Amino acid sequence: QQKVQQSPESLSVPEGGMASFNCTSSDRNFQYFWWYRQHSGEGPKALMSIFSDGDKKEGRFTAHLNKASLHVSLHIRDSQPSDSALYFCAARMNYGGSGNKLIFGTGTLLSVKP
Amino acid sequence: ETAVFQTPNYHVTQVGNEVSFNCKQTLGHDTMYWYKQDSKKLLKIMFSYNNKQLIVNETVPRRFSPQSSDKAHLNLRIKSVEPEDSAVYLCASSQDWVSYEQYFGPGTRLTVL
Repeated sequence: QQKVQQSPESLSVPEGGMASFNCTSSDRNFQYFWWYRQHSGEGPKALMSIFSDGDKKEGRFTAHLNKASLHVSLHIRDSQPSDSALYFCAARMNYGGSGNKLIFGTGTLLSVKP
Repeated sequence: ETAVFQTPNYHVTQVGNEVSFNCKQTLGHDTMYWYKQDSKKLLKIMFSYNNKQLIVNETVPRRFSPQSSDKAHLNLRIKSVEPEDSAVYLCASSQDWVSYEQYFGPGTRLTVL
């Protein structure tokens, strides 16, 4: 069974602090990763993607991918109360048969305290 | 406004009834999806359509059936709902079958009594 595990399950950081999420996949065919964010009562929204080893930075968000260890992480600096949401890692296979089938992780609930 | 729209927002029904959920996207995308998000917030794909053609059909009970009239619409029908069907059903779309980013609607929350 394809699985994408996330940690921690929940996280609380003070406003202005750093929030970090981890994601580990169980299948080396997972080559493409996305981070999605879901605010309460809304659908998930894509934050950023990472397909190559190393770091990718977009504003306050930095993603890191290590394909050898099947590990991807997301870091949010200067966290804001509006960042409080459920964060998902999503992985996609590297072969055409699966097309755009995303496997979503178990999610991390972030709470940013003012 | 270009987005993914879902109706209804909420639906409460009794075991054994039939329900239908609607999804429309105005993004001009070719591919649409249905996901189920359970009480633990786990997201699992159910179906995927590309240009009205079913391309992904995960292992879901046969009482679930997707319906696509055109590439902008993808509905979900559940015949004879069960208590375990209580969940949020999310519709999404992407530019095409190999595009990476998926755009989600706000979801339909189903409660089966």
